[in-house]
Amino acid sequence: GAGVSQSPSNKVTEKGKDVELRCDPISGHTALYWYRQSLGQGLEFLIYFQGNSAPDKSGLPSDRFSAERTGGSVSTLTIQRTQQEDSAVYLCASSSNANRVSLFGSGTRLTVV
Amino acid sequence: DAKTTQPNSMESNEEEPVHLPCNHSTISGTDYIHWYRQLPSQGPEYVIHGLTSNVNNRMASLAIAEDRKSSTLILHRATLRDAAVYYCILRDGGNTPLVFGKGTRLSVIA
Repeated sequence: GAGVSQSPSNKVTEKGKDVELRCDPISGHTALYWYRQSLGQGLEFLIYFQGNSAPDKSGLPSDRFSAERTGGSVSTLTIQRTQQEDSAVYLCASSSNANRVSLFGSGTRLTVV
Repeated sequence: DAKTTQPNSMESNEEEPVHLPCNHSTISGTDYIHWYRQLPSQGPEYVIHGLTSNVNNRMASLAIAEDRKSSTLILHRATLRDAAVYYCILRDGGNTPLVFGKGTRLSVIA
């Protein structure tokens, strides 16, 4: 596709359930990032994948959060035992080694009820 | 990442130029200056970036001070669609994650 694609665009889940959020980066982009943005707040870095290197997980807020990137392409962010404070927009971005521009998806709005 | 300082908010009239300032007094020699913006209910959007020389693209211009301790994003003719939060971010020469601050909320008045 032409841009970074995220699915679903909206997700409502009950407290305690697990959720999976998907990101399809731009083809050929080696770097992939996850961020989240709570209502009225700034963008918070979560995790960063660069090629085959071990991911930078320094932004993950708790061990309930994990992410994978399969085959250097699609990534899945998993939140286990969701809490109300996990409600936010989860944004994915990707970039290539050729330039220093990160391109963002439209995000997944997660609501935990 | 080195820190940047931006005004919390600015206002502009439609079709007038807008100069959005950013201070980054602790910038290192290898840091690039990036600008992104976030329109309401959308993900961030790349605007422009530069290292030392001024840069122009179809969206904006970036003026970088000679000592690189400050920069200014210039929108030549603000439109209502330019109302957004503008982020000035320092990033090394690689693909390390962007670190977003609070940015400047730009309002454009018709």
